[in-house]
Amino acid sequence: DAGVIQSPRHEVTEMGQEVTLRCKPISGHNSLFWYRQTMMRGLELLIYFNNNVPIDDSGMPEDRFSAKMPNASFSTLKIQPSEPRDSAVYFCASSFTGGPSAKNIQYFGAGTRLSVL
Amino acid sequence: GENVEQHPSTLSVQEGDSAVIKCTYSDSASNYFPWYKQELGKGPQLIIDIRSNVGEKKDQRIAVTLNKTAKHFSLHITETQPEDSAVYFCAASMNTGTASKLTFGTGTRLQVTL
Repeated sequence: DAGVIQSPRHEVTEMGQEVTLRCKPISGHNSLFWYRQTMMRGLELLIYFNNNVPIDDSGMPEDRFSAKMPNASFSTLKIQPSEPRDSAVYFCASSFTGGPSAKNIQYFGAGTRLSVL
Repeated sequence: GENVEQHPSTLSVQEGDSAVIKCTYSDSASNYFPWYKQELGKGPQLIIDIRSNVGEKKDQRIAVTLNKTAKHFSLHITETQPEDSAVYFCAASMNTGTASKLTFGTGTRLQVTL
């Protein structure tokens, strides 16, 4: 398997524009996570899905952020409108959630570096 | 919710020496503790993990210890090499049937000098 695939790898946009980040999880995985990484706040969980259903979106900073998972092989994180403080590296991760006895190891993509000017 | 603290934030060791990174967690229900290594420009990658029913686990030069009573766990790297230089994150999770949310520490930047 190619691992978790994120696109684009880099995104530069102007304040106010809509940004869409994409993620393809590892085939067979049933959980998907979106993280944001900054120097100030470290690695923050934004939202995660289990079987395509959002389970916890308490980490989504504002209504400007939204995430969807229309099927098991694709997810998007959208920021509209974008602001300079949204500049960060956004990671997608996936895992197979197999129950309380499973490890549920998360595998990360290479990330999308977003710069909002 | 869970809170994970990690120390130190930076660590510099000479090649061949050992490195130790320590983490504490707050939720006694947490039962899974992975360690991730992040190299520059890449996503975090799992290097070793431990479950709450085990006190120690070793994989070549890397070992992790867990003290459930004190709620802390540590990463030990022996015979460090330059390629060990990276940022290391600890994490804690309570695995249930539908959720596997990881709470990460703030990271330790390890520098192995020649």
